[in-house]
Amino acid sequence: GAVVSQHPSRVICKSGTSVKIECRSLDFQATTMFWYRQFPKQSLMLMATSNEGSKATYEQGVEKDKFLINHASLTLSTLTVTSAHPEDSSFYICSARATANTEAFFGQGTRLTVV
Amino acid sequence: RKEVEQDPGPFNVPEGATVAFNCTYSNSASQSFFWYRQDCRKEPKLLMSVYSSGNEDGRFTAQLNRASQYISLLIRDSKLSDSATYLCVVRPGGFKTIFGAGTRLFVKA
Repeated sequence: GAVVSQHPSRVICKSGTSVKIECRSLDFQATTMFWYRQFPKQSLMLMATSNEGSKATYEQGVEKDKFLINHASLTLSTLTVTSAHPEDSSFYICSARATANTEAFFGQGTRLTVV
Repeated sequence: RKEVEQDPGPFNVPEGATVAFNCTYSNSASQSFFWYRQDCRKEPKLLMSVYSSGNEDGRFTAQLNRASQYISLLIRDSKLSDSATYLCVVRPGGFKTIFGAGTRLFVKA
């Protein structure tokens, strides 16, 4: 199947700093990318949906100024957690989809720990 | 009512057992349905799509009931390696993809 690469896989940062997570589709053009967050033993929660070249659509309760999403090309989307706090510690996963009718492929996830 | 609902389980079954999960969805206009599998601390991976006529892939059978707005996943002859969380995924249309909370399955020897 198609490959989506997410980087870094694990990051530890200090409270108040910003962290950038990259999501790349390696062998297809991703019209749409999704960013999810998953707390331990809980389900994936959609944070935002981004389409290449346009602003991301954020889910209710997700602060767009805190979680900056950039989908500048058909193969790359980035999520920046600004001014991270310990409560932002979570597993962040991206997924990418070529068209509305195709399967979404997931990145490997990024485990963020804010200390 | 949640857009997609699943029984969280856990389902504890012996090897060789048959186990079934259901998932209900609220949007009657939903167009696409999938089952994903997620192992602990890993990303979800597509298990199978769910087609209107029902479909089978080895020991796994998926069915869709549009009238009652649910999909199901049946696992026959459970293996230890089937232990995972099974996520129901619904696409109402457009860009959105909605995940259920997942059903945890433990298969024991």
